[in-house]
Amino acid sequence: DAGITQSPRHKVTETGTPVTLRCHQTENHRYMYWYRQDPGHGLRLIHYSYGVKDTDKGEVSDGYSVSRSKTEDFLLTLESATSSQTSVYFCAIRIGLAVTDTQYFGPGTRLTVL
Amino acid sequence: AQTVTQSQPEMSVQEAETVTLSCTYDTSESDYYLFWYKQPPSRQMILVIRQEAYKQQNATENRFSVNFQKAAKSFSLKISDSQLGDAAMYFCAYRTNFGNEKLTFGTGTRLTIIP
Repeated sequence: DAGITQSPRHKVTETGTPVTLRCHQTENHRYMYWYRQDPGHGLRLIHYSYGVKDTDKGEVSDGYSVSRSKTEDFLLTLESATSSQTSVYFCAIRIGLAVTDTQYFGPGTRLTVL
Repeated sequence: AQTVTQSQPEMSVQEAETVTLSCTYDTSESDYYLFWYKQPPSRQMILVIRQEAYKQQNATENRFSVNFQKAAKSFSLKISDSQLGDAAMYFCAYRTNFGNEKLTFGTGTRLTIIP
């Protein structure tokens, strides 16, 4: 158990509404990631963070923003949700030293945009 | 950009038998890491095994082992003595040793265990 929680675990929303997903870690790991999982695509990186207020884009960042005001929390926001953002969202943290570090994942959030 | 390919969308194996899941990748880098993750119906992503590219020895974790062929850019997962609890989606992933060190995933292989 890497001490990662995600909230909410399930959400149904309507097109055009803002949505924020939260990732929380119980330890002070520096790197945090947001991925989305869609059939036929595996997991794809949306955004990542390498410290408080330090974030950068991944390969599918359009339509998403992130914030990290505290080490333990990494927020993913959909400013105006669209049906193409219906997906399962995973948060991950990187644990370990440079040579042995590995990403561990939270339980996921299933988001449905109607 | 790196790509990871899992050419077997589905596989099945008899309980207690051995099964091998295939993964190939494309990269121009020489220093990187490879991983296999398991995703059971609970949807949790669970690390199964990792391999450092600079190591010639194949990684093993109990019943799980890999066949890492660096020149061929191949990274297969062998599951011995398959158990019902091994039924899951299996994802192969690549990680560069530079930059943000994000994971690049394959599309997954769904493994079914036949009792």
